[in-house]
Amino acid sequence: QVTLKESGPGMLQPSKTLSLTCSFSGFSLSTSGMVVSWIRQPSGKSLEWLAAIDWDGDKYYNPSLKSRLTVSKDTSNTQVFLKITSVDTADTATYYCARHYYYDGTYYFDYWGQGVMVTVSS
Amino acid sequence: DIQMTQSPSFLSASVGDRVTLSCKASQNINKYLAWYQQKLGEAPKLLIYNANSLQTGIPSRFSGSGSGTDFTLTISSLQPEDVATYFCLQHNSWPGTFGGGTKLELK
Repeated sequence: QVTLKESGPGMLQPSKTLSLTCSFSGFSLSTSGMVVSWIRQPSGKSLEWLAAIDWDGDKYYNPSLKSRLTVSKDTSNTQVFLKITSVDTADTATYYCARHYYYDGTYYFDYWGQGVMVTVSS
Repeated sequence: DIQMTQSPSFLSASVGDRVTLSCKASQNINKYLAWYQQKLGEAPKLLIYNANSLQTGIPSRFSGSGSGTDFTLTISSLQPEDVATYFCLQHNSWPGTFGGGTKLELK
């Protein structure tokens, strides 16, 4: 079955770089059409898509955060990474990775990880 | 950008009630609307995609309808385990945008 799991530092200081890892199984990111996305959710608020990487290594970013984001994947196509530079308190959120599934001409998120809570604080 | 507006923001209902949640798009998204259930401390779970297609394993008391700009999620008979926040997602245009959510509680 499809599973995803995020990992990260838990807490970090303002101005640092946040590094997150999404480890997944049950599908291969090398399969045509496959995409993994990063999404975040501040406590009590809605969801915000951040970035995605597809089976071909193409990368997609939220325009409002693009300058601070880097998404990548490993050569075995079982992990996806996200780096966010120059974090501040506004980056405090739960971060999810999700499979961005292609069907009927569009993409939607069908499987999600459990999320990792990240707090930015001095 | 397509904006998604959900209403109401909060809803209180009793076990057994028929519950209707609304999601409106700022422009035509055809049939490309998904619904997610998020219980406290858990990841969102896909309930419905393409406005009315039930994801595998989801109970049949959940149903979706609508097209264009107006969409509805209906729970035919509310169960205690349905207490959650429900989000809609337009998947007509990449990468998709989420609504603000409806928090459903038991009365």
